[in-house]
Amino acid sequence: NAGVMQNPRHLVRRRGQEARLRCSPMKGHSHVYWYRQLPEEGLKFMVYLQKENIIDESGMPKERFSAEFPKEGPSILRIQQVVRGDSAAYFCASSPRTSGGHNEQFFGPGTRLTVL
Amino acid sequence: GQQVMQIPQYQHVQEGEDFTTYCNSSTTLSNIQWYKQRPGGHPVFLIQLVKSGEVKKQKRLTFQFGEAKKNSSLHITATQTTDVGTYFCAGPSRYNFNKFYFGSGTKLNVKP
Repeated sequence: NAGVMQNPRHLVRRRGQEARLRCSPMKGHSHVYWYRQLPEEGLKFMVYLQKENIIDESGMPKERFSAEFPKEGPSILRIQQVVRGDSAAYFCASSPRTSGGHNEQFFGPGTRLTVL
Repeated sequence: GQQVMQIPQYQHVQEGEDFTTYCNSSTTLSNIQWYKQRPGGHPVFLIQLVKSGEVKKQKRLTFQFGEAKKNSSLHITATQTTDVGTYFCAGPSRYNFNKFYFGSGTKLNVKP
């Protein structure tokens, strides 16, 4: 069973460009979380999605950021018109949530975004 | 604002010394999970505690979940250089399963 996959692992963008980050959850997992981590800082929750639904996006900036988890295919975190402050590591995690609540999350290797 | 705080933010210990990180939530949690992130790596799940007052051990690591389910601790006995990394607590709100909170993390450095 392959782990959580994220691509690309490293992404370089110039200010004003778009960044598109992909996350393929573990097989059988229908819950996806996105986190941002600035250098030497902790994880900041961004968004929690289930298939075709955004459950909680309270951690995501209102502008320029969007996320989706379609019925087929990976989850996408999209950042439009990137700025230098968007440079960070973006981690995706998936979970086989059951009726008992949030279960352990399996993290991908992350995408390191650098904005020039 | 930040819902789950951890102290200390940083801890430097000599190999062989003990280490404890404390996790405090402003809201009651349904369960508490602990993760470890090695430098340059991604967070890895360590353990989950569900019951009020629960204590679990993994070799040199001892995890506790508070009676009120609002705080937790991780204690490492006789640290080793392999313990280096950042330790995060995390958990869902007891009253809103859709809300999941990650702690601010404690970065542990172990000197050989």
